[in-house]
Amino acid sequence: QSALTQPASVSGSPGQSITISCTGISSDGHSFIHVSWYQSRPGKAPKLILFGVNDRPPGVSDRFSGSKSDNTASLTISGLLAEDEADYYCCSYTTTSAPFVFGPGTKVIVL
Amino acid sequence: QVHLVQSGAEVKKPGASVRVSCQPSGYTFNAYYIHWVRLAPGQGLEWMGWINPNSGGAHYAHKFQGRITLTRDTSINTVYLELNRLRADDTAIYYCAREGSAVSTLDPWGQGTLVTVSS
Repeated sequence: QSALTQPASVSGSPGQSITISCTGISSDGHSFIHVSWYQSRPGKAPKLILFGVNDRPPGVSDRFSGSKSDNTASLTISGLLAEDEADYYCCSYTTTSAPFVFGPGTKVIVL
Repeated sequence: QVHLVQSGAEVKKPGASVRVSCQPSGYTFNAYYIHWVRLAPGQGLEWMGWINPNSGGAHYAHKFQGRITLTRDTSINTVYLELNRLRADDTAIYYCAREGSAVSTLDPWGQGTLVTVSS
């Protein structure tokens, strides 16, 4: 089983860039694979915004980008907008009995 | 365009059962697994299980085994989540989500169904 950790909150002013980290630890000592990121706003369905570390689904702004190093994945939001205020979840796909493991979520606050 | 439409909000008493439906459209119903994820107040997203609409086979997270059943009705292209022996901490928004075209993703998601468990 994997455990993912994220910061509870990250804040930034409009126009700035922020980065959210996601660290994965597996009990078998392997780093997690197939990272994806979801945006969750109150009253709206969660939305896939990044997959495969740095691929975006059609229609997702290129202000969202990702990277990965060792067992840490990161989501960067550039040119922060008020509409980016939401909870962001990293997600690891594994071949274990629970294929989708979510991080605890990071609240992005636009100042 | 792919859409998943869920049933409306439910209020249940502790110990009761709830059934939530999810009706996908815009693609071949049998072609993609459907997953269920919940979001409880103050908590994060939590994966609950998946169902293969083609075979009806399902797989559940250990936490919910014995209380959860995923089924489907191919005549009306609908999948169902049933959760039994409800507790107050089952109060959450329940989402269905299609396994995405990109490997290892959930995309898109239904609009969510609020289930409130209260005496």
